[in-house]
Amino acid sequence: DVKVTQSSRYLVKRTGEKVFLECVQDMDHENMFWYRQDPGLGLRLIYFSYDVKMKEKGDIPEGYSVSREKKERFSLILESASTNQTSMYLCASSWTELSYEQYFGPGTRLTVT
Amino acid sequence: KNEVEQSPQNLTAQEGEFITINCSYSVGISALHWLQQHPGGGIVSLFMLSSGKKKHGRLIATINIQEKHSSLHITASHPRDSAVYICAGSMDSNYQLIWGAGTKLIIKP
Repeated sequence: DVKVTQSSRYLVKRTGEKVFLECVQDMDHENMFWYRQDPGLGLRLIYFSYDVKMKEKGDIPEGYSVSREKKERFSLILESASTNQTSMYLCASSWTELSYEQYFGPGTRLTVT
Repeated sequence: KNEVEQSPQNLTAQEGEFITINCSYSVGISALHWLQQHPGGGIVSLFMLSSGKKKHGRLIATINIQEKHSSLHITASHPRDSAVYICAGSMDSNYQLIWGAGTKLIIKP
């Protein structure tokens, strides 16, 4: 079974703090993704990575950065958290073939106060 | 522009009813994914199909390539089917998925 884990289920941070969200997958997937999900807006892609040290911006990268130093780990960084970054954050991974089916982690609900 | 449009946005039904959720997609999308998200967050992939029909238990997914339309059906619906159902399209040339907005399904006992 593919397993994608995220470092926290719930996180509360203060405005201006630096926030790290970590995602680990155990299936040797090439591709990893960070999404945020907000009511009425569905899933929006923040960043994705198709290989170690490779990253590409998604639809809403502003205010975020990412790091992929090892194949199994993809980190999302909020350099200076703001209240409008309060959201559910979902990590996913996939192989390059097999029609790109994505496997999701349980999500991190981040609240910035 | 590659798009996936899903309907309805919300659906409430009684236990036992036959449920249909629809998804239309644009040219360039070669496969359609159906996913389920229960309250609390985790998203699970249900089906991926590029032609025909797939069945798993009470869930059936169909796709009509000519009409660029896919449906997810639930037979004999049950309150535990209550969830958000999301369709997403993938393209041969790109490993990103194009996401529909989701359908929130509530099955009342």
